[in-house]
Amino acid sequence: QKEVEQNSGPLSVPEGAIASLNCTYSDRVSQSFFWYRQYSGKSPELIMSIYSNGDKEDGRFTAQLNKASQYVSLLIRDSQPSDSATYLCAAAYRRALTFGSGTRLQVQP
Amino acid sequence: GAGVSQSPSNKVTEKGKDVELRCDPISGHTALYWYRQSLGQGLEFLIYFQGNSAPDKSGLPSDRFSAERTGGSVSTLTIQRTQQEDSAVYLCASSLVGWTSGGGSQETQYFGPGTRLLVL
Repeated sequence: QKEVEQNSGPLSVPEGAIASLNCTYSDRVSQSFFWYRQYSGKSPELIMSIYSNGDKEDGRFTAQLNKASQYVSLLIRDSQPSDSATYLCAAAYRRALTFGSGTRLQVQP
Repeated sequence: GAGVSQSPSNKVTEKGKDVELRCDPISGHTALYWYRQSLGQGLEFLIYFQGNSAPDKSGLPSDRFSAERTGGSVSTLTIQRTQQEDSAVYLCASSLVGWTSGGGSQETQYFGPGTRLLVL
């Protein structure tokens, strides 16, 4: 059974702080990992993809992958109220993505 | 260029009726996916099309669900004899290429706006 686990939250951080979102996956075959952001009532939009162990930075976002621990994380620096959304972690296995249930992030002004 | 488009954006139907949901992928994308998202839940994979290969139907919840992709582009998801538990947002996604077995990787999927289905 392929599973992706996330803490549902809500994770509440003050504006300007670092938000840390975590995700674990059960299938060692998974090679590709994605973070999507989903605003209420909207469809998911891609934030980051990561394929190799280590860190990948894109602006205020850093994705971290540790395949030995089967762990993926997303750091959001200088969090803004506009970052308030649900963040979905996804692992690719064969022909589809397996999604976690998402972590709701609230950035307090 | 245009993103993934879906129609209708909202659909209300009565239990027992059939519905058709349409997806137009990004031009040039060979892979197309259907997912379902129930209220407050994560995304559930339904079906995957890759080029001219046989579709991966492993996620379809029952034989009331079917999908086709004509001409390698537009896809239609059909739900027959709808039930109340079919109420959800149905999301379509496309990617440039799909699963790459050699590299074991998956191209980024881009999602459409979804169709919100309510079965009364």
